[in-house]
Amino acid sequence: QKEVEQNSGPLSVPEGAIASLNCTYSDRGSQSFFWYRQYSGKSPELIMSIYSNGDKEDGRFTAQLNKASQYVSLLIRDSQPSDSATYLCAVIRGSNYKLTFGKGTLLTVNP
Amino acid sequence: EAGVAQSPRYKIIEKRQSVAFWCNPISGHATLYWYQQILGQGPKLLIQFQNNGVVDDSQLPKDRFSAERLKGVDSTLKIQPAKLEDSAVYLCASSFSKGFGDTQYFGPGTRLTVL
Repeated sequence: QKEVEQNSGPLSVPEGAIASLNCTYSDRGSQSFFWYRQYSGKSPELIMSIYSNGDKEDGRFTAQLNKASQYVSLLIRDSQPSDSATYLCAVIRGSNYKLTFGKGTLLTVNP
Repeated sequence: EAGVAQSPRYKIIEKRQSVAFWCNPISGHATLYWYQQILGQGPKLLIQFQNNGVVDDSQLPKDRFSAERLKGVDSTLKIQPAKLEDSAVYLCASSFSKGFGDTQYFGPGTRLTVL
């Protein structure tokens, strides 16, 4: 079982729709959870972090964490073409606070 | 605030040659990371430094990769000799500390092509 798994995609949504990105992790001791956005040819940039169960909202983005199910999700409301990118789920685990990434999900928002 | 700086941005070498990458973290950041990102994959941690000490190098192929962080600031990552499978983007990141809540900021990366 991979440490961090994401739905493989690619995911295509129309402009204005809600994009839903999912991630599961294997280590129950994982402490912190992040969503990074990576445009083609660019480096990852942090868009959301979440540490406790429940929802966290920031503008059009909502991160959801369910530690019992070992599940993290990212919802993007009112999707825009500029949201088209690869979204990386990442998890911090272990005493060295190692950040482990999933493979990423490519999102395309069609005008 | 200046971001994480990396050089070179691109490098093309023949297999069995050596190559070095340089990283300058954000000022004041104690923790520095090197990641390898192969096309279509997420970044994989190669080595993590806290100041000038190694915290985690469990995924660093030590027979060919080496890294150092001089005086707890700049860092270099070296590959010698390079293999075809080393073709990837090498990302440097830094954070204020290594706590579970500290954000890692990434540099622009070095794209390595091994022919």
